[in-house]
Amino acid sequence: GQNIDQPTEMTATEGAIVQINCTYQTSGFNGLFWYQQHAGEAPTFLSYNVLDGLEEKGRFSSFLSRSKGYSYLLLKELQMKDSASYLCAVEGYGQNFVFGPGTRLSVLP
Amino acid sequence: DVKVTQSSRYLVKRTGEKVFLECVQDMDHENMFWYRQDPGLGLRLIYFSYDVKMKEKGDIPEGYSVSREKKERFSLILESASTNQTSMYLCASSPLLGLAGAKETQYFGPGTRLLVL
Repeated sequence: GQNIDQPTEMTATEGAIVQINCTYQTSGFNGLFWYQQHAGEAPTFLSYNVLDGLEEKGRFSSFLSRSKGYSYLLLKELQMKDSASYLCAVEGYGQNFVFGPGTRLSVLP
Repeated sequence: DVKVTQSSRYLVKRTGEKVFLECVQDMDHENMFWYRQDPGLGLRLIYFSYDVKMKEKGDIPEGYSVSREKKERFSLILESASTNQTSMYLCASSPLLGLAGAKETQYFGPGTRLLVL
């Protein structure tokens, strides 16, 4: 079967660093995506990993280990506007995307 | 900028009604997707299409059908709406893999929140 796990909720303080983990078991692997979704809005693309290692993009970084079926999203210098849900998604065979349940991040002042 | 639009932001229907949800993208993308999003379950794929008149079942196709008569338009149809189809419906589009934009492959519409009474 296909399964993606993420923590349901996380809380962090403004200015801090937070790491959101994602583990996956899917049929095929063409890449792993992270999306940000503010309440009531559509998901927006954050990052993409297809090879092992770290991809850095400003305050956001994403890491992938294919052998472990593991990824994390790292958010630095947290801001209040980073309060949102973060979705991990794996693209499997046939361009089929499987999404995790999402992690709701609350950033406190 | 890629634009994916959905016909309604909010919709209220009665049990047994036939419901049409429309999605249009303006970037000439080959792939289009329909998801539903429910608390604690994340996004679940209902159907997707990789070309005009082509469709593939996703994880939860039961109770739904789709239509793709034109490349830019992908319609989701609830043949006979039921209360368990109350959900947020999200449409997405993407180009074929391997193109320059492959790293940002899915663009989402604003969503349609459907309530079935």
